[in-house]
Amino acid sequence: KNEVEQSPQNLTAQEGEFITINCSYSVGISALHWLQQHPGGGIVSLFMLSSGKKKHGRLIATINIQEKHSSLHITASHPRDSAVYICAAPTGTYKYIFGTGTRLKVLA
Amino acid sequence: DVKVTQSSRYLVKRTGEKVFLECVQDMDHENMFWYRQDPGLGLRLIYFSYDVKMKEKGDIPEGYSVSREKKERFSLILESASTNQTSMYLCASSFVWGPGANVLTFGAGSRLTVL
Repeated sequence: KNEVEQSPQNLTAQEGEFITINCSYSVGISALHWLQQHPGGGIVSLFMLSSGKKKHGRLIATINIQEKHSSLHITASHPRDSAVYICAAPTGTYKYIFGTGTRLKVLA
Repeated sequence: DVKVTQSSRYLVKRTGEKVFLECVQDMDHENMFWYRQDPGLGLRLIYFSYDVKMKEKGDIPEGYSVSREKKERFSLILESASTNQTSMYLCASSFVWGPGANVLTFGAGSRLTVL
């Protein structure tokens, strides 16, 4: 069992739909990192959060440290949101444990 | 904007060749990392460096070496490339302390094919 599990692995949505991607982890952490990777592209940091909720545009990330669970929500999804979304748990200064990613495709 | 620049987006090499992948960051980050990304396996750490000339092995260092002679530059070296090193290689960097500590900034990636 991976220490960081994401669900679903693949997700197809229609433009405008509300999307939720989940991340559960078994390691003890103080914060969680959400990353976005577009096809063929590098990885962009979306959020690092340690409690509660963070919002950036149409993206919202929530975390419950006690329950070891985080969610990434996308409101009013758009085809340009199509990407792989990865959660990562920093377990030390140098060590990160990455989920295997959720591949999102938003259809026009 | 923080920038992590990887020297080559696409490389094709032959088995046995020596391969250099260069990474430069312009934000004075202490930490630098090399990952490889393979379908179904996610990101795996090859090596990281927390200071000039300092390096630590990650989870899959076999067949790789690294060099950090200057703070902004972290090089990954494949001494003798093999076909199982065909992969996407991603460089990343981060601060150790202060605001933004441990937030990874990635380069665009280098897709290496070994024939």
